[in-house]
Amino acid sequence: KQEVTQIPAALSVPEGENLVLNCSFTDSAIYNLQWFRQDPGKGLTSLLLIQSSQREQTSGRLNASLDKSSGRSTLYIAASQPGDSATYLCAVRPRNYGQNFVFGPGTRLSVLP
Amino acid sequence: DAGVIQSPRHEVTEMGQEVTLRCKPISGHDYLFWYRQTMMRGLELLIYFNNNVPIDDSGMPEDRFSAKMPNASFSTLKIQPSEPRDSAVYFCASSRTGGAVHGYTFGSGTRLTVV
Repeated sequence: KQEVTQIPAALSVPEGENLVLNCSFTDSAIYNLQWFRQDPGKGLTSLLLIQSSQREQTSGRLNASLDKSSGRSTLYIAASQPGDSATYLCAVRPRNYGQNFVFGPGTRLSVLP
Repeated sequence: DAGVIQSPRHEVTEMGQEVTLRCKPISGHDYLFWYRQTMMRGLELLIYFNNNVPIDDSGMPEDRFSAKMPNASFSTLKIQPSEPRDSAVYFCASSRTGGAVHGYTFGSGTRLTVV
């Protein structure tokens, strides 16, 4: 069974710092991995989608990498801003466990002004 | 594109009442998913549809929960009778190809409170 974990559970950084969020999954047989952002009381917003054949994806200050063989992904946020404060979830789309994503528990990020 | 649309945004109901949550997926998406999110359990998949047909409902917690998709543009999740432990945020998501290529798009969710 595919399991997804995220470390740390919570992170607090001063504005302007570069930071890395980690995501690990137990089964490397995946179609893709997706990073989401969730603001308090809101829905999930897709940030980046990395296909299994790709190593990384970039969008603005965000860069996501994927190392499928080791079961890891990182989300790098450059020059963090208070507006980046949210919970970040990663999810993998397994090849072997039906047609749905398996979500991690999320990392709650606070960027302090 | 208006995205995935859910209604209502908030629902407060008394224990024992029937609750119906609604979802309109993105046009052209052939997969629809219902998730529930709580602090204790995170995001849980309840059921998903492909081309309006329920494929996997193993996540539906009890017989009190039922879901339908009468056409490609509308789905409902019904709880009857509702209980306080059903209080959660319910999300609907849709995708093409089951997320294997294009990932998921989520709605804004329905926050359900059962008192």
